[in-house]
Amino acid sequence: DQQVKQNSPSLSVQEGRISILNCDYTNSMFDYFLWYKKYPAEGPTFLISISSIKDKNEDGRFTVFLNKSAKHLSLHIVPSQPGDSAVYFCAASSAYTSNTGKLIFGQGTTLQVKP
Amino acid sequence: GAGVSQSPSNKVTEKGKDVELRCDPISGHTALYWYRQSLGQGLEFLIYFQGNSAPDKSGLPSDRFSAERTGGSVSTLTIQRTQQEDSAVYLCASRLRATETQYFGPGTRLLVL
Repeated sequence: DQQVKQNSPSLSVQEGRISILNCDYTNSMFDYFLWYKKYPAEGPTFLISISSIKDKNEDGRFTVFLNKSAKHLSLHIVPSQPGDSAVYFCAASSAYTSNTGKLIFGQGTTLQVKP
Repeated sequence: GAGVSQSPSNKVTEKGKDVELRCDPISGHTALYWYRQSLGQGLEFLIYFQGNSAPDKSGLPSDRFSAERTGGSVSTLTIQRTQQEDSAVYLCASRLRATETQYFGPGTRLLVL
């Protein structure tokens, strides 16, 4: 079963506009969420994270929102830049079910920012 | 400082051969993970090391897969008698104790012909 889902395989936005990437999860025991960005032929790069005790975390152009009741999180990129074009992965972990910190990943969303 | 490094970056092998993939984590990171990404899929957890011990091997897909870590640093993932379905990108990540963020290496792209 897919515990972390990114239902949009791709997203295209215009440079300067907002990009919103969505992620849904099914396991209510998840307590930490991360977003990674991945360029072709490179490993994932950590972008931003959020603990389940918060509902928002902001870092520069990137903001992550967490809605626990809906089991939904989103990543907002404002303003979007062509260099943001990459695959974005949502990931989750649970200290309750596993003390290993292993991450459960979504399938990824390919973001294209057009100049 | 130096990030996570992996070698080789690419590996092409014939079905039935054994392969070894290497990971050098960030210095001081006691936690080490192996994941793999098959074509068009998300990352799939394989194994977790804390120091030299592997308390979670639940993601290893078959007994052809094994991994070890020595000196609390370098890890090797071995795949015996490779099959075509083993073709994937194998990613290593490390994490500092008591933190949550994992840092990934560039991956090894394995192609089994």
